[in-house]
Order: sequence, then C-alpha cells, then structure tokens
Amino acid sequence: ILNVEQSPQSLHVQEGDSTNFTCSFPSSNFYALHWYRWETAKSPEALFVMTLNGDEKKKGQISATLNTKEGYSYLYIKGSQPEDSATYLCAFSQRGGYQKVTFGTGTKLQVIP
Amino acid sequence: NAGVTQTPKFQVLKTGQSMTLQCAQDMNHNSMYWYRQDPGMGLRLIYYSASEGTTDKGEVPNGYNVSRLNKREFSLRLESAAPSQTSVYFCASRQGLGNQPQHFGDGTRLSIL
Repeated sequence: ILNVEQSPQSLHVQEGDSTNFTCSFPSSNFYALHWYRWETAKSPEALFVMTLNGDEKKKGQISATLNTKEGYSYLYIKGSQPEDSATYLCAFSQRGGYQKVTFGTGTKLQVIP
Repeated sequence: NAGVTQTPKFQVLKTGQSMTLQCAQDMNHNSMYWYRQDPGMGLRLIYYSASEGTTDKGEVPNGYNVSRLNKREFSLRLESAAPSQTSVYFCASRQGLGNQPQHFGDGTRLSIL
C-alpha cells in the first residue's frame, strides 16, 4: 500500500487570503500525480495531471507544482473565494502499475466570507 | 452527455443480503474503478479494470466482487453485506493511460443494518 499524505487535514481562511497545501508521495518509480477538487455532495473533479519533475500547472487562481525527486506537490490558491471551499485530493500512480491509483485523505478548505 | 452513471443513488440493506451496484460510462474509456469513501479515510480503491475483460484487486477488495460486463459497464457486487461495508461508493473511469484524469460518478450511499 502506497503512502500518500496530505497536509493540513483542514484549513480555514478569510476571503481574499492566499493559501497552499501539500501532497507527499513515494519518490521512487513516479508516473503521475493528480489533483482533484471535491465539493460537498458532489463527485471529485479533476484539476491537474502532472507527470514531469518541475511541472507547474495553472487554472484560474489555482496552481500546482511538482517535485518528483523529493516526492511532493504543492497546490496554491491565490485570493481564495467562498466558492473555493471544497476538499482537495491528490492521487498518485507508479510506473509499472499506473492503472492503480492511490488517493490521499484530502485537505478540506473552508473560505470564510 | 451523461459521463459516469451510477445506480442506485441510495440503498439500505440488512446484514447478509446481497446486491449489485451498477456503473456505466459513455466516454469510451478503457479503465474503470470502484472506490469507497469513509470519514477520515479518503477514497480507497476496491477493484479496477484496466481494460475490457480484465479486473484487478485494489487496496480493500475483501467482501466484494466485480464484473466488467463490456467496455461501458463495471459492476460491484456485495455477496453477503456486512455493517463494515456501510460507505459511499464511487465509480470512476478514464482513458487508458495514467496521465489522464479520472471521471467520477455521483456516488451510491449504502447503509447496512
């Protein structure tokens, strides 16, 4: 069982604040790292798929970076809005078994108006 | 465009009863997945099917069976339901490669008394 850890577990920020969270994963045999956004009472939706060391992805005010050598990815939200409130999941897959995906337990973000 | 459709949305069973959760996708995806989501545990992989005709165990397969009926459909069966299987079940699919995101259904909330 692969160990994918996310921190913090939960986070409260004021509207307009910028914030970031971390996903840690095994650094060996890396294949892909995914970020998903999961709103309450909905299903997870893909934000980014990252495959190369040093990858940076951006979607609106949300961006992500990837360091495969040390086994971590950061997700940044600039100028948080109440609609950014959700649980953010990362998911990891390895070479040689990339179909098998391991999810972290998520970071629950609450943006206070 | 329906995406990934799961049925039923809710179900209550008694211990020892059996049932099948259905999942169908209309995106011509090769890979399909079943997850369970429990508080504090994130999404845990039960079984997956990398392509039509193949199935493999995930992290928590005990007590479940799956069938990849055709490219569109991937069902999850509980032969003798136990209270420990009370959970929210998500089906997902994606195009074959690990650098593609997963697309999730809306979930099935299953309670076993």
